[in-house]
Amino acid sequence: DQQVKQNSPSLSVQEGRISILNCDYTNSMFDYFLWYKKYPAEGPTFLISISSIKDKNEDGRFTVFLNKSAKHLSLHIVPSQPGDSAVYFCAASVYGGSQGNLIFGKGTKLSVKP
Amino acid sequence: EAGVAQSPRYKIIEKRQSVAFWCNPISGHATLYWYQQILGQGPKLLIQFQNNGVVDDSQLPKDRFSAERLKGVDSTLKIQPAKLEDSAVYLCASSLDAGGGQPQHFGDGTRLSIL
Repeated sequence: DQQVKQNSPSLSVQEGRISILNCDYTNSMFDYFLWYKKYPAEGPTFLISISSIKDKNEDGRFTVFLNKSAKHLSLHIVPSQPGDSAVYFCAASVYGGSQGNLIFGKGTKLSVKP
Repeated sequence: EAGVAQSPRYKIIEKRQSVAFWCNPISGHATLYWYQQILGQGPKLLIQFQNNGVVDDSQLPKDRFSAERLKGVDSTLKIQPAKLEDSAVYLCASSLDAGGGQPQHFGDGTRLSIL
């Protein structure tokens, strides 16, 4: 049973427009969420995170929104650039938990066209 | 700051052979993780170390997989004997400590192909 779901395997947007990547989770114990970006033949790179005490976290062109009641989070990239083309993974863990291990979604492949 | 180092980058073996992967985490990171990423899936945790002790190995197939982190720094993951379904990328990650709220930093992984 997948606890973290990314239902869109791929997304294509035009350069300069907004990219919105979505993620849903089922485990109500999760309260720390992260987004990772992955280029081919490289490991995932940490992008941005949010804890459940917030509903928004912003870092430059990247903003993550959290809707706890809907168990849904999204990553907004504005404006999108061709270099943003990669696979984006949503991950979740229990904040303050003794383990901190991450549960990942299957990823969404973003293509930003010039 | 040097990142997480992994070797080898690629490995091809036949089924029933053994293989070992090596990981050196970011300096000062107490927690080390090994993940398995099968094509089209997200990474799945195999084992987590806090210093040189095992925190979680509930998803490690212990009949064939083993891992150690003897001095609380670098780590090795071994598969013996390998099966076809072990074909995957094996990722090592590290974080400052085990608590939630700490982002994990990943190496580039070892891509394992079983023939």
